[in-house]
Amino acid sequence: DTGVSQDPRHKITKRGQNVTFRCDPISEHNRLYWYRQTLGQGPEFLTYFQNEAQLEKSRLLSDRFSAERPKGSFSTLEIQRTEQGDSAMYLCASSLGLRSPNGQYFGPGTRLTVT
Amino acid sequence: DQQVKQNSPSLSVQEGRISILNCDYTNSMFDYFLWYKKYPAEGPTFLISISSIKDKNEDGRFTVFLNKSAKHLSLHIVPSQPGDSAVYFCAASETGANNLFFGTGTRLTVIP
Repeated sequence: DTGVSQDPRHKITKRGQNVTFRCDPISEHNRLYWYRQTLGQGPEFLTYFQNEAQLEKSRLLSDRFSAERPKGSFSTLEIQRTEQGDSAMYLCASSLGLRSPNGQYFGPGTRLTVT
Repeated sequence: DQQVKQNSPSLSVQEGRISILNCDYTNSMFDYFLWYKKYPAEGPTFLISISSIKDKNEDGRFTVFLNKSAKHLSLHIVPSQPGDSAVYFCAASETGANNLFFGTGTRLTVIP
């Protein structure tokens, strides 16, 4: 068990460009979550997958954002036409159950800077 | 609106003493609460949780207390150690909900 991994760890992009982040959850975890964290705030929920199905999306997830989890394994989060307000840490988490004893396991995050 | 609030951005405690971190919530539908610890350049790490059917849960040096009538919970760390220095996030969820609502965090510094 190597934990949740995210790639890249840092991404700097120019406004208007598209970016894609990848998350590899713990292999036996069927639930996968994306959160966004801005400076001075706690993580904010973006979206949730159970296996390959995207079951919940926050209103924070505008139509420029899309997430996938093909085959119920890794997940990608794409942001199209990035804006400066998209600059944040994007965190991925996974878990076995809704309220698994050890909560959600978080990856180290991808820090996005939009210039 | 912030449904989970941590009103103390920072806390400093001497090594060996008790650290008390506080959290308030506004949503009466929350019934499950968690504390996460976050070191720089790492994701949050689960520390301890409590269900609303309990008012206390203990795990080693960490104890979480829940006061449902006051919509308040606290995390006690006894004794505090320098390695406990981190940002602590309180989080909450509703029954059947898949997402967690996080507070803004409290930065704990344990002074050797």
